[in-house]
Amino acid sequence: EIVLTQSPATLSLSPGERATLSCRASQSVSSYLAWYQQKPGQAPRLLISYASNRATGIPARFSGSGSGTDFTLTISSLEPEDFAVYYCQQHSDWYPFGQGTKLEIK
Amino acid sequence: EVQLVESGGGLVKPGGSLRLSCAGSGFTFSNAWMNWVRQAPGKGLEWVGRIKSKPNGGTTDYPAPVKGRFTISRDDSKNTVYLQMNSLKTEDTAIYYCATGAVFDYWGQGTLITVSS
Repeated sequence: EIVLTQSPATLSLSPGERATLSCRASQSVSSYLAWYQQKPGQAPRLLISYASNRATGIPARFSGSGSGTDFTLTISSLEPEDFAVYYCQQHSDWYPFGQGTKLEIK
Repeated sequence: EVQLVESGGGLVKPGGSLRLSCAGSGFTFSNAWMNWVRQAPGKGLEWVGRIKSKPNGGTTDYPAPVKGRFTISRDDSKNTVYLQMNSLKTEDTAIYYCATGAVFDYWGQGTLITVSS
């Protein structure tokens, strides 16, 4: 069973800053890694699939990288609406999620 | 526009059963793999199962915490996927979402299940 570990648990930054979120898999997931954003009271929204492919309508400030066991979600310049919880997920035939990173306003 | 609408949530006693529905529109439902994901209050996301499209075999998969208790089925004539939940436990209390695809492109708004005596 693959376990996804996200770090940090909480990230405190200011609008305009760069955010770097990490996701580490307990064994290789190749590039089958997705990122989701969830705001309070809302369903999650797909941001990135296959490690680096932005979903339809996702702004270019969101980018994903990595392969194998180490992945990164980068938000180049934070907008006020980006403060939320972010989850990574393996999406190859089995779909575990990481525990989430809360991105909060500093 | 893709829409997913869950229904069937509510309060149920431990050991009881409940069936959730998720109706889809705006896409070719019969070709879609459908998933269920839950979120306990204040907690993270947990995948609870998937059903493939019939052209891909229509098979189901479940993680250990729900295997043997939860069953996913689909009725493509009604564009609906179901989650039958039996032997419910207090730890099954959560918002249950349905989501489309091998990558979870679209999500419903969720329906709340509370398991409590």
